[in-house]
Amino acid sequence: AQSVTQLGSHVSVSEGALVLLRCNYSSSVPPYLFWYVQYPNQGLQLLLKYTSAATLVKGINGFEAEFKKSETSFHLTKPSAHMSDAAEYFCAVTLSGAGSYQLTFGKGTKLSVIP
Amino acid sequence: DTGVSQDPRHKITKRGQNVTFRCDPISEHNRLYWYRQTLGQGPEFLTYFQNEAQLEKSRLLSDRFSAERPKGSFSTLEIQRTEQGDSAMYLCASSLGQGVGQPQHFGDGTRLSIL
Repeated sequence: AQSVTQLGSHVSVSEGALVLLRCNYSSSVPPYLFWYVQYPNQGLQLLLKYTSAATLVKGINGFEAEFKKSETSFHLTKPSAHMSDAAEYFCAVTLSGAGSYQLTFGKGTKLSVIP
Repeated sequence: DTGVSQDPRHKITKRGQNVTFRCDPISEHNRLYWYRQTLGQGPEFLTYFQNEAQLEKSRLLSDRFSAERPKGSFSTLEIQRTEQGDSAMYLCASSLGQGVGQPQHFGDGTRLSIL
C-alpha cells in the first residue's frame, strides 16, 4: 500500500522568504511523486512530478522538489515566496507497477504569505 | 488545450434525491478518474476508466454510486438516494494512456451540498 504524509497542515511565511513544504511517502515499490496546488473553489494544478529521471525536479512558478530515497521524502521548495503562492498544496504518490494508476494524496498544507 | 471540464460547478439537493455530474476530459486523454474531496482533506480516489472500460473502483464507491464512460469520451457520475455524508467536492481528472506516471489533469470540480 502507498501513503503520503504532509507535515504541517498550515505554514506561514513572509513575502520573499523561503518556502519549504514537507512530504514523506511510504511505498513498497519505486514511486512516482507529484505536487499539486489548489486555489479556493478550483481544481488541482500540477506543479511538478518525479518519475525517476532526476532527483531534483523543477516545476512551474519557481517551485522545485528533491526526491530523497533514503529519507522517503519529496519536499517542495521555492527560494522566495510571492503573495500569489498563497494556496493549498498537495503531495501525491502513485506506484510504478501493479497496473494501478490512482493517486494517493496527503491531507494538504495551506500556505499563507504575509506581506 | 481546453482542459478538463466539469458540469455543474455547484449542486444543491435534498437528502434522498439523485444527482448526476458530467466530466469532459482533455480530448486526447484516454484515462479518466473520479475523486472525492471533503473539507480539509486531500482528494480520495473513487474510480478509473481506460477508454470506456471501468478498470478500478474504490471501496468508497458504494452501491449508490455509479460511473459511466459510454463512448470513451465524457463520463458521468451518479449518486442515488443522496445522504448528508455525500456532501463534498467531486473532482474529475484525465491523463494520457501510455504507461505509469502520466500526470493527471484536474477539472475545477462539482461541489455537492446535501440539505
